[in-house]
Amino acid sequence: DAKTTQPPSMDCAEGRAANLPCNHSTISGNEYVYWYRQIHSQGPQYIIHGLKNNETNEMASLIITEDRKSSTLILPHATLRDTAVYYCIVRGQGFQKLVFGTGTRLLVSP
Amino acid sequence: GAVVSQHPSWVICKSGTSVKIECRSLDFQATTMFWYRQFPKQSLMLMATSNEGSKATYEQGVEKDKFLINHASLTLSTLTVTSAHPEDSSFYICSAHDPGPRGNQPQHFGDGTRLSIL
Repeated sequence: DAKTTQPPSMDCAEGRAANLPCNHSTISGNEYVYWYRQIHSQGPQYIIHGLKNNETNEMASLIITEDRKSSTLILPHATLRDTAVYYCIVRGQGFQKLVFGTGTRLLVSP
Repeated sequence: GAVVSQHPSWVICKSGTSVKIECRSLDFQATTMFWYRQFPKQSLMLMATSNEGSKATYEQGVEKDKFLINHASLTLSTLTVTSAHPEDSSFYICSAHDPGPRGNQPQHFGDGTRLSIL
């Protein structure tokens, strides 16, 4: 699986958009980009995933660059409850394992 | 949405005892489940892949005789930490793969089990 690179930490004001970047320059054609987050002392929570098109759901939007070498997770209106570690993971199809990197620790402040 | 239940949520036991952790997929059948371990301030580390009806696949450096995995049904996988010692104290998390109609469905995680060995 391709390796991902994320900034170790980011800050965001409550109510503002949080844009979390991820680099995955070695991604291959059949690999998807997945985003999970982990709130303290809980299991990871699935957020969104995509292959090459931008995706949006009730939690977030995922923007993937045309060359697929990077992506951005957007939380449009961050709340204090969005404070968590966000993991960007690249994975192929099928029942393949998820390999977690160090993620981005997002702190949403009032 | 897909739900994975993990039990117990926390356990404290004496050194030398064995501890069993259960992972259940509540509203889907999971032929594949995964077990992770997470130490404080670190990321999740995959321990093993649990396959229904067959032997688990362990990651390098994980002792299969120490961490016994059983996946006897499509909705239940168990992890048994045998002869646990204080260094086995950690946060253990399972995940299950919802097969769905396509091969890119996400994994869903349990809420984890915090294991403390005295």
